[in-house]
Amino acid sequence: EAGVAQSPRYKIIEKRQSVAFWCNPISGHATLYWYQQILGQGPKLLIQFQNNGVVDDSQLPKDRFSAERLKGVDSTLKIQPAKLEDSAVYLCASSLAGSVGAFFGQGTRLTVV
Amino acid sequence: DQQVKQNSPSLSVQEGRISILNCDYTNSMFDYFLWYKKYPAEGPTFLISISSIKDKNEDGRFTVFLNKSAKHLSLHIVPSQPGDSAVYFCAASSVQGAQKLVFGQGTRLTINP
Repeated sequence: EAGVAQSPRYKIIEKRQSVAFWCNPISGHATLYWYQQILGQGPKLLIQFQNNGVVDDSQLPKDRFSAERLKGVDSTLKIQPAKLEDSAVYLCASSLAGSVGAFFGQGTRLTVV
Repeated sequence: DQQVKQNSPSLSVQEGRISILNCDYTNSMFDYFLWYKKYPAEGPTFLISISSIKDKNEDGRFTVFLNKSAKHLSLHIVPSQPGDSAVYFCAASSVQGAQKLVFGQGTRLTINP
């Protein structure tokens, strides 16, 4: 069974630039999550999708972050414009609908300089 | 508001001995608890979980204990092996919270030969 795929693995951008991350969840997983993990901290949920609908985006900084999940499969997370404090690992995870626990991708390490 | 706390940033244990990682939570609505293990440059991987209706769950060398009255859980690894060296995250979820995972800050476990 293929795992959660994310790209790119690493990204370095200057502040005020924009960046996008892509995630392909495990086949059949209706629930998709984007987490932000800042160095030394635990992952923090940014947004949760159920199919292509948003379940929770209460911690997503909507003035600069956006996410979509077209057709209920792949998802993209965008940051525009980026700030220095956005430097983190962005983790995508997926799970079966109603299932507890999630499978994580390898993450994208973003460095904003 | 840190709902899930891991107060020990690091732990060093001799190979063959028992490793005990601790986690405290504040939200009494949490009804499912999980431990994830994370190696450098990889996403977190699921290790073991426990439902709030139980007080113990065992899987090979790993045992999780839950004390609901104290809002405390612990992960026991025995015997500890060098491959157990990683960062361990405690996570909690609730039906009310749409099963999203709330993570602690993580504990870096080092197993010394």
